[in-house]
Amino acid sequence: RKEVEQDPGPFNVPEGATVAFNCTYSNSASQSFFWYRQDCRKEPKLLMSVYSSGNEDGRFTAQLNRASQYISLLIRDSKLSDSATYLCVAYGGSQGNLIFGKGTKLSVKP
Amino acid sequence: EPEVTQTPSHQVTQMGQEVILRCVPISNHLYFYWYRQILGQKVEFLVSFYNNEISEKSEIFDDQFSVERPDGSNFTLKIRSTKLEDSAMYFCASSADNQPQHFGDGTRLSIL
Repeated sequence: RKEVEQDPGPFNVPEGATVAFNCTYSNSASQSFFWYRQDCRKEPKLLMSVYSSGNEDGRFTAQLNRASQYISLLIRDSKLSDSATYLCVAYGGSQGNLIFGKGTKLSVKP
Repeated sequence: EPEVTQTPSHQVTQMGQEVILRCVPISNHLYFYWYRQILGQKVEFLVSFYNNEISEKSEIFDDQFSVERPDGSNFTLKIRSTKLEDSAMYFCASSADNQPQHFGDGTRLSIL
């Protein structure tokens, strides 16, 4: 069974903190990975794709370790607006269906 | 920025009734998907659709479910005889070739 596992949290951090999310996946054949964010009762929104070489987008850095089947997301200088649930996502099949983790809830406090 | 749009935003239906959820994918996208999210649980894949046929479906997508692209813009999910456990948020998504999927804002389906 193809699964993506995440720490459910919640992570409660002060503004300006650095926070790290971790995720593991079970399907070694997965080729593509993403982080999405989901606000309460809203749709998942793509945050960033994850590449083996690691990639950075402003305050956000994503890393992929294929040997360990491990994905991470680092948020630096967290803002109140970063409060959301962060979803780790892997491609599950040849036709592009996504397998979602249950998400890690982040709450950034003033 | 182009968006995936879904209607209605909320659908309330009696158990056993048929329901059709509608989606307009992003116009130049060729791959279409339906996902659902039961309250408090993770997003689950239902079905993918390409070139006017189903590409892949999950075990959730049983004979009660069907999808259709009736014209050049709409993509629909039909549940033939709804059950209480079909209550969930249903998300449509679309993508271009080898590109990430973009999600609509969902239809909340409540079965009474």
